[in-house]
Amino acid sequence: GEEVAQTPKHLVRGEGQKAKLYCAPIKGHSYVFWYQQVLKNEFKFLISFQNENVFDETGMPKERFSAKCLPNSPCSLEIQATKLEDSAVYFCASSPRDRGSYEQYFGPGTRLTVT
Amino acid sequence: AQSVTQLDSHVSVSEGTPVLLRCNYSSSYSPSLFWYVQHPNKGLQLLLKYTSAATLVKGINGFEAEFKKSETSFHLTKPSAHMSDAAEYFCVVSLIQGAQKLVFGQGTRLTINP
Repeated sequence: GEEVAQTPKHLVRGEGQKAKLYCAPIKGHSYVFWYQQVLKNEFKFLISFQNENVFDETGMPKERFSAKCLPNSPCSLEIQATKLEDSAVYFCASSPRDRGSYEQYFGPGTRLTVT
Repeated sequence: AQSVTQLDSHVSVSEGTPVLLRCNYSSSYSPSLFWYVQHPNKGLQLLLKYTSAATLVKGINGFEAEFKKSETSFHLTKPSAHMSDAAEYFCVVSLIQGAQKLVFGQGTRLTINP
């Protein structure tokens, strides 16, 4: 598609439950990024993929967070045993990386609320 | 390492007057710079980008920004504000090589007065 799609729009989980978020990048884009927006204005990079391969995972809290981008499937971000501090909006972005074009196009986000 | 400082957390202007949102960056290497806009409860929309071509960059909705290496600045301007411009604006930096992670500024909330 022509836009990055994210599902679900809202997700509510009790503390300790699992949360799984999905992202369909723009067709033809090679790179996928996940960001966490907390406190409205603080964006934190989590992980990026080049096709199905992890490109940069320096931002991932590895003990509870995992992510995948498999061929012919939406990318996913999974949080095991959610904590209150995981409450945030999670954005997925994709990038074409062609003709020197590295801008990232963002999806509408998934708002995760941990209670 | 890259970092971005947006000098104003809140800017308020009257409709029809110019807009100036200020951004300074720090980067060890040649940066890519972007401005994104976020309307309430919405995703991020790319306004414009700088990637080492022309220093004056034109974007959507009448916005433009000028890259000034000597001042390490990338301020966003618009000649005449419209009510629909009210939103949160983020200045963002990245490395110019490859598809690298974005580093965000703290955001500037733009309010437009009738």
